Amino acid sequence: DAKTTQPTSMDCAEGRAANLPCNHSTISGNEYVYWYRQIHSQGPQYIIHGLKNNETNEMASLIITEDRKSSTLILPHATLRDTAVYYCIVSSPGTASKLTFGTGTRLQVTL
Amino acid sequence: GAVVSQHPSWVICKSGTSVKIECRSLDFQATTMFWYRQFPKQSLMLMATSNEGSKATYEQGVEKDKFLINHASLTLSTLTVTSAHPEDSSFYICSASPPGLVSYEQYFGPGTRLTVT
Repeated sequence: DAKTTQPTSMDCAEGRAANLPCNHSTISGNEYVYWYRQIHSQGPQYIIHGLKNNETNEMASLIITEDRKSSTLILPHATLRDTAVYYCIVSSPGTASKLTFGTGTRLQVTL
Repeated sequence: GAVVSQHPSWVICKSGTSVKIECRSLDFQATTMFWYRQFPKQSLMLMATSNEGSKATYEQGVEKDKFLINHASLTLSTLTVTSAHPEDSSFYICSASPPGLVSYEQYFGPGTRLTVT
């Protein structure tokens, strides 16, 4: 079963904020929300993670709803280099925890 | 951030031969590494979990005798595709988590593109 649901694709103008939604209605109490992205023909890159509080780092912000059933990844000022497939994944923490990749959202940043 | 490397970055081999792909954690030790496969325009599919000093755990449907995994040290895991066929042509990616992080985000290698002719 897919644990997350994301839109297949989104467009964003360069310089604008990109808001990528994710539904994870079956998330359990100890599972984190992770976001990764994959630029074409490269390995995935870790972006950010959260448990229940909103998080921000140098790459992005993560907004998690109070019921934890959905989240939004925000790229505040998208650039052409942010064009990639973005994956929202829920997983319990641990070095042996597997990540199950869904189909992700293909974000196209345009001029 | 933590760095994971793979070698080679791309390889072409003839049908029936074997190919070895290396995955190294460059600045941390990893007791567990993961191997994924990605076909064109598809998502990553987990193949197996590589455990240092013990046998790998394979996902359902992945042939353990065809995809041999060896995790002989805390910084190196290898994936050997034996008797390769054209349908094994794919993008192979490994990942690992640095110890000591509360949430254990994973760091991925750059991938190895395998083409079997």
